[in-house]
Amino acid sequence: GENVEQHPSTLSVQEGDSAVIKCTYSDSASNYFPWYKQELGKRPQLIIDIRSNVGEKKDQRIAVTLNKTAKHFSLHITETQPEDSAVYFCAAGFNKFYFGSGTKLNVKP
Amino acid sequence: EAQVTQNPRYLITVTGKKLTVTCSQNMNHEYMSWYRQDPGLGLRQIYYSMNVEVTDKGDVPEGYKVSRKEKRNFPLILESPSPNQTSLYFCASSLVTGQGGYTFGSGTRLTVV
Repeated sequence: GENVEQHPSTLSVQEGDSAVIKCTYSDSASNYFPWYKQELGKRPQLIIDIRSNVGEKKDQRIAVTLNKTAKHFSLHITETQPEDSAVYFCAAGFNKFYFGSGTKLNVKP
Repeated sequence: EAQVTQNPRYLITVTGKKLTVTCSQNMNHEYMSWYRQDPGLGLRQIYYSMNVEVTDKGDVPEGYKVSRKEKRNFPLILESPSPNQTSLYFCASSLVTGQGGYTFGSGTRLTVV
């Protein structure tokens, strides 16, 4: 089956800096790659996604890039704010979906 | 309001006592899924359903059952719960597989003693 690895497990940045979280996947059949943000005690919420026929997608301060050849995709958050502090999960799959183990992002004011 | 509703939010039960966690969505989504979340392991898929009467195993299906008799409901059944099924469970739905991402329910924290 699919194996999704996510790095780093924790990330601490200063407010205003950029944050990058990276994921790799193993199954070339995976064609959909969403990213979720989970605040403490809350449900995961979709923040951005990308399909396998697209290399990059942006939504304001958030962007995702996908390299199908290398089987890796990354989340980029620019101009980080304290409210960006949360756990971020990547996922990959087709019908079955596999999540990374999460990155705890701490944005220091 | 478009949502996925799970019940109960919290449940403490004893080993071997059958239980059902309900999940209902009001968005006419075709795809529904159950996940369990454990510290350090992320979210692991238990079962998923691509439409009514169509269900399939996820990554960790052992000890769980599901059914999809109606499009809006996707209950998770633990016929004989064991302590290793203590976890935070999320139901999720999406319009179709691979499109639009999941809408998650609010979660069910299950403790099996």
